[in-house]
Amino acid sequence: DAGITQSPRHKVTETGTPVTLRCHQTENHRYMYWYRQDPGHGLRLIHYSYGVKDTDKGEVSDGYSVSRSKTEDFLLTLESATSSQTSVYFCAISESSEQFFGPGTRLTVL
Amino acid sequence: GEDVEQSLFLSVREGDSSVINCTYTDSSSTYLYWYKQEPGAGLQLLTYIFSNMDMKQDQRLTVLLNKKDKHLSLRIADTQTGDSAIYFCAESPPRGGAGSYQLTFGKGTKLSVIP
Repeated sequence: DAGITQSPRHKVTETGTPVTLRCHQTENHRYMYWYRQDPGHGLRLIHYSYGVKDTDKGEVSDGYSVSRSKTEDFLLTLESATSSQTSVYFCAISESSEQFFGPGTRLTVL
Repeated sequence: GEDVEQSLFLSVREGDSSVINCTYTDSSSTYLYWYKQEPGAGLQLLTYIFSNMDMKQDQRLTVLLNKKDKHLSLRIADTQTGDSAIYFCAESPPRGGAGSYQLTFGKGTKLSVIP
């Protein structure tokens, strides 16, 4: 597997609390992505990064922010979690056309 | 807009061939991908095909692309119980912001292999 880790792997939180998910890579790939996976929707792109401090929105970015202060780390923040953000979150990395996925974080918002 | 369609379920007997189909709508897609997801795991890149190709073979996997009909298929020869998983088709339009590849996924096809 590509060197991608996500933390935490599981989290339960309450509505209205802030949550930060971390993606860490050891591949030195330029591009990093956050997706969410929900039943009946497949995977949908939230945000992506094309370099340190360079990020842009994806298809479902409302309610999420991201930051990338180092090549290896890409953080996804839910400023005020809502129940609709209960999902499995996947980080992905790429340097070219091949995109590799991390193991995922299961987030439950009560 | 972009949309990728797959049938949700497929059941085959061990040793038979499996064919998973996918249709996409973005005719400008550059790459088309197949990913495999086992329960509780991330997505594993199985194979992908460049849009100017019509076939790619990799061991037991054969990808066919019909660009005119926007149809992609994945054939798994000699299907084994270990092939039971969800298979996702994904398309990538021409490179997005700063050269990124922003994949659009289908909802996935759950393949069940009967021993």
